[in-house]
Amino acid sequence: QPVLTQPTSLSASPGASARFTCTLRSGINVGTYRIYWYQQKPGSLPRYLLRYKSDSDKQQGSGVPSRFSGSKDASTNAGLLLISGLQSEDEADYYCAIWYSSNVVFGGGTKLTVL
Amino acid sequence: QVQLVQSGAEVKKPGASVKVSCKASGYTFTSYGISWVRQAPGQGLEWMGWISAYNGNTNYAQKLQGRVTMTTDTSTSTAYMELRSLRSDDTAVYYCARGAHPAEPFDYWGQGTLVTVSS
Repeated sequence: QPVLTQPTSLSASPGASARFTCTLRSGINVGTYRIYWYQQKPGSLPRYLLRYKSDSDKQQGSGVPSRFSGSKDASTNAGLLLISGLQSEDEADYYCAIWYSSNVVFGGGTKLTVL
Repeated sequence: QVQLVQSGAEVKKPGASVKVSCKASGYTFTSYGISWVRQAPGQGLEWMGWISAYNGNTNYAQKLQGRVTMTTDTSTSTAYMELRSLRSDDTAVYYCARGAHPAEPFDYWGQGTLVTVSS
């Protein structure tokens, strides 16, 4: 089982909100880890969005709008990326990552379609 | 402004080696490290390792231990990634990315270098 599992795809309408999940493998407690989120638009470089561990330990990437935010769901052992007020330009792949066992581990990514 | 400029595309035969460069500008090179991340065609991101530009300490992904070497040249603010014993599944775009520590976010990325391994 992978360390981080992300749904392959997500669809949402313009103006709506999108909720991305990044589920940690059983036995790896989400509460312990900083979750990093990256956005990659088609044909472009990855872009750092934000980091979230708790409300007192979080960081927004430079120039990243406040409609991008992080959270956690302890009940499902998942890190969350929330995007409000979806725009067509948000259509991209979104990757989560953690520092685990002295390695950076990425999730497989979720493709967001805004339609 | 911070920039990471990588070397150009490479085509290699299986079993060969490749060395990709990443020239940094716009910040104090030795105050940060460089991670290398690769992305196979149509696939996700894979971290390869990190090197401190301050003291050359490295942290390689377990999967690539023994095949990858990362170095820096502080006189030219350039980082290098060499991958040996290339296989077809090493075909990917290779990115360098700035990060103070491998556990810190990658805030600036190079433009990517396509490495194609084909006989």
